[in-house]
Formats: sequence, C-alpha cells, structure tokens
Amino acid sequence: AQTVTQSQPEMSVQEAETVTLSCTYDTSESDYYLFWYKQPPSRQMILVIRQEAYKQQNATENRFSVNFQKAAKSFSLKISDSQLGDAAMYFCAYKYNAGNMLTFGGGTRLMVKP
Amino acid sequence: DSGVTQTPKHLITATGQRVTLRCSPRSGDLSVYWYQQSLDQGLQFLIQYYNGEERAKGNILERFSAQQFPDLHSELNLSSLELGDSALYFCASSVGAGVGLQETQYFGPGTRLLVL
Repeated sequence: AQTVTQSQPEMSVQEAETVTLSCTYDTSESDYYLFWYKQPPSRQMILVIRQEAYKQQNATENRFSVNFQKAAKSFSLKISDSQLGDAAMYFCAYKYNAGNMLTFGGGTRLMVKP
Repeated sequence: DSGVTQTPKHLITATGQRVTLRCSPRSGDLSVYWYQQSLDQGLQFLIQYYNGEERAKGNILERFSAQQFPDLHSELNLSSLELGDSALYFCASSVGAGVGLQETQYFGPGTRLLVL
C-alpha cells in the first residue's frame, strides 16, 4: 500500500521569506502523480500544484514550486515570498496513475508571521 | 471556488440517527469522490462513482452508502451514527473515470458533521 509522510506537523515563516515543506512517499509503482493541496481556515481543499512522476522537470506555479526527487521518493513544496494568506494546512497527496483515490499525508500547518 | 457544491455546510445530529450529505460535481465532471477528514484518521478516501456506477471503494464503513444519480449529483448516506463519525466530509469531482493526471480532483467546501 502507498503511504505519504509529512514529517513537519508545524512550520512558521516570516512574511516575504521562503519556506519548504517536506513530503516523502512510499510506492512500488513507477507511474503516478503527486499533489499539494492547501486547506485554509475555511476548510476548503485547494489544489496548489501537481507533478507527474515521469517528468524530470519540477513543477512551478507562481510563488509555489516543488523539488521532486523520484529516487528518494521525496516531494517538497517551496513557497517563495510568503504572504499572510499562505497560512494554512498543507497536504501532500499521491495518486497512482491507474488508480482512483488520493492518498494524503498527515498535513503540515504553516504559520506566516507579519 | 472549485465549482463543486456540497450541502449542508454543517449538520448536528444524535447517535443512532441517519443523515444524507449531498454533492454536485463541477459542470462536465462525471466522477464524484467522497473523503472523510477526522482528527484521528486524517483524510481518507471513502468511495468513487463514475457516471452513476460505483468505481472504487476505500475505507467506507458498512453503515455508510453512496449513490450517484442520472444528473450526476451524489449523496452519501450515513446511518446508525456514532460519536466517532463526527468529521468533515468532502466531495471531489473529476472529468473522467479517475485515471491519469487529467483526472485531478477538485474539492467541494465540505460538510461538517457533529454527532452528539
């Protein structure tokens, strides 16, 4: 079974600084996808960024980028120029290509200090 | 706004009761997924429906059931409720059956269920 681990329950960052959230996963599959979802206090789950395992190039979406290390089964999220609105729970998720379900990590609570 | 709607937003009920949660997928999406988010279990996949048919099943209790109707909205029925069923229940939708990256799942705002 696939597992996703987020080893940092909480992180804090100063506004305008950069922070990196860690995620590791365990799978025997070679074709899969990885996602970061953001859950603000409103509890809505918002897709931040996604990565195809077959792509070596790291995904980027504005201030959000990932560092995907397939051999190490690591998928970290970097948030640049942190803003107060970035404060939220962040969940790393895995999806096997031929599968249907998302497997989530336990989440990292990010606090942004003004 | 993801385009996925869920009703009600909040639900308070008593143990032993039955409730129905409703989800409308994004326009054009054929798959609906249900997830449970609780403090002790985290986010867990419950079940998926694709175009009216059950497609995948996760850690869904026998007391829980779901269905997807011809207009593609879905309902999650929770019966004989227990205190431990208190959680946030999310619905997500995707375009097709769920295979591949184009099947990114977009989440609704969730229904918060409190069982007293």
